[in-house]
Amino acid sequence: GAVVSQHPSWVICKSGTSVKIECRSLDFQATTMFWYRQFPKQSLMLMATSNEGSKATYEQGVEKDKFLINHASLTLSTLTVTSAHPEDSSFYICSAHSGSGVGELFFGEGSRLTVL
Amino acid sequence: AQSVTQLDSQVPVFEEAPVELRCNYSSSVSVYLFWYVQYPNQGLQLLLKYLSGSTLVKGINGFEAEFNKSQTSFHLRKPSVHISDTAEYFCAVSEYGGSQGNLIFGKGTKLSVKP
Repeated sequence: GAVVSQHPSWVICKSGTSVKIECRSLDFQATTMFWYRQFPKQSLMLMATSNEGSKATYEQGVEKDKFLINHASLTLSTLTVTSAHPEDSSFYICSAHSGSGVGELFFGEGSRLTVL
Repeated sequence: AQSVTQLDSQVPVFEEAPVELRCNYSSSVSVYLFWYVQYPNQGLQLLLKYLSGSTLVKGINGFEAEFNKSQTSFHLRKPSVHISDTAEYFCAVSEYGGSQGNLIFGKGTKLSVKP
């Protein structure tokens, strides 16, 4: 099946710094990618929808200036957590839709961010 | 708005035993239903989905799920589990005709298969 890769799989940073997470579709083109956040023992929460060549659509309550999303090509979307704080520590997951089949989302392995 | 409840956070079971992972949802509109599996250190993979038609849906790795509209449930079953089925399982719903990525996930159920 289709493969989506995230990098880095885990990252530790100091408070106040910015961190970039990449999401790549390795063997298909994805006009739309999705970013989720998962707190311990909680479900995945959709943060934003990333559209190639246009601005991302953010879910209610997600700060667009804090979580910058760029979808520069059909195979790459990036999430930048700006001026990270300890409360931003979480597991971030991306997914991409291959364009065929309802619910046929392919997920990355996730990126665990720890802000000290 | 939709919501998903996975009633069991952890399910331990012995190898070759049957298992049922429970999922209930609430929604004021028609929904699609999904089960995803996440193996350790891997991304989520689609196990099966219900879009319409037959309420019994068969997925990969011998899993199946039954959509029960009156009970708003979509329980996942396997008649005989293997050690390799140890993983976390997520039930999810999306609104009929809505955004492809706007899945509402349950909190997940960790299945531990013991020898």
